[in-house]
Amino acid sequence: DIVMTQSPDSLAVSLGERATIRCKSSQNLLYDINNKSYLGWYQQKPGQPPKLLIYWASTRESGVPDRFSGSGSGTDFTLTISSLQAEDVAVYYCQQYYSTPPLFTFGPGTRVHIK
Amino acid sequence: QVQLVQSGAEVKRPGASVNVSCKASGYTFSHYAINWLRQAPGHGLEWLGWIYGFNGKTYYTQNFQGRVIITTDTSTTTAYMELRSLRSDDTAVYYCARGDPYEWELLRRNRPFDVWGQGTMVTVSS
Repeated sequence: DIVMTQSPDSLAVSLGERATIRCKSSQNLLYDINNKSYLGWYQQKPGQPPKLLIYWASTRESGVPDRFSGSGSGTDFTLTISSLQAEDVAVYYCQQYYSTPPLFTFGPGTRVHIK
Repeated sequence: QVQLVQSGAEVKRPGASVNVSCKASGYTFSHYAINWLRQAPGHGLEWLGWIYGFNGKTYYTQNFQGRVIITTDTSTTTAYMELRSLRSDDTAVYYCARGDPYEWELLRRNRPFDVWGQGTMVTVSS
């Protein structure tokens, strides 16, 4: 199985400041035929299901504010919130969807809160 | 609008089984897969398995092989997840989530899980 790790476990950021979350996979998630990495990012607020923010490592889902951006390729990825807003307080998960046949795995999550 | 609506909370004894449903609407059920996941209190997300709405093909994570069964009823566009031989550490919120149906064709996979059910709390307690 592909193992996903995230850092840090928890992150305190002042309003308006940048938040950076890292995700690492135990195997390459880049498909060389289309040059896409099969890595997604989710946001989960208390009492709610996760919400898809980013797919293919850097493509923003429709309706997601542009302060959220994803980068990286292969095994190392980053989610950046460029200017933290109060409503961004949540746990963020990365997920690989590269495995064939389907065997999808998530990182352990990073809790973002206000400093 | 596209949505997945799950059945209500359940309380079960150890050793029992639970069946959670996930009603899909607003899209062509047979064009997508339904994934099942769970989240124990205070913990992260664990993927359990996948079913393709068109042909009922399933995949399960090895940890749950033989204990979880995922099915669909295309006439009612509903997916079901049955978990057997419940233990106290199965206490969790169980989610269904829509995904692409491609088992092997990475070129055709786009988004991972773009629509989620609201979650079903399953409590296992004696």
